[in-house]
Amino acid sequence: DTAVSQTPKYLVTQMGNDKSIKCEQNLGHDTMYWYKQDSKKFLKIMFSYNNKELIINETVPNRFSPKSPDKAHLNLHINSLELGDSAVYFCASSQRTMDEAFFGQGTRLTVV
Amino acid sequence: AQSVTQLDSQVPVFEEAPVELRCNYSSSVSVYLFWYVQYPNQGLQLLLKYLSGSTLVKGINGFEAEFNKSQTSFHLRKPSVHISDTAEYFCAVSDGRSARQLTFGSGTQLTVLP
Repeated sequence: DTAVSQTPKYLVTQMGNDKSIKCEQNLGHDTMYWYKQDSKKFLKIMFSYNNKELIINETVPNRFSPKSPDKAHLNLHINSLELGDSAVYFCASSQRTMDEAFFGQGTRLTVV
Repeated sequence: AQSVTQLDSQVPVFEEAPVELRCNYSSSVSVYLFWYVQYPNQGLQLLLKYLSGSTLVKGINGFEAEFNKSQTSFHLRKPSVHISDTAEYFCAVSDGRSARQLTFGSGTQLTVLP
């Protein structure tokens, strides 16, 4: 019974393509996030989102956009993929008052 | 703004030895502190957290951490490690105002040797 699930787990694509990564949480949390983990394992937040506000890390290129069809889902769309986008992308969610984030298994994106 | 510094990028230790993974933070307000573990090719799992109260926090798998406000530290400890503890460990901080956003340290790779 996975709390935060992401698909796909692996994604290999060519430069210039557009791709999406899906994320779903069944914890009833009100806030979801996307993190990027680079090759040195450094984790950087990209977005945090609830039904009231989207907070974007200003260093994230506008080729990246989160889409939330409902409270349990936060998908990540990436346009015009570049080699430097290769990384592991983690989805996470948290409850408002607890601040503990639950993470998905990650999506390893490789741009060739 | 808040930040986290993990002082050791790699920590090798022999099985059954004690270990301490160091974490220092900076923040202008009260903080919530966390340790996460990432096993190879897996997502992050919460080990323990400090929100308030006792400064000594116990977590899963025999780990504990102590919040030291004067030294702005939150070091992780385990008295006796196992091979299965080999993983990447991340310290993270969240401030009380933008409490939904975690800032992570750069991680410490713990390798337990037989």
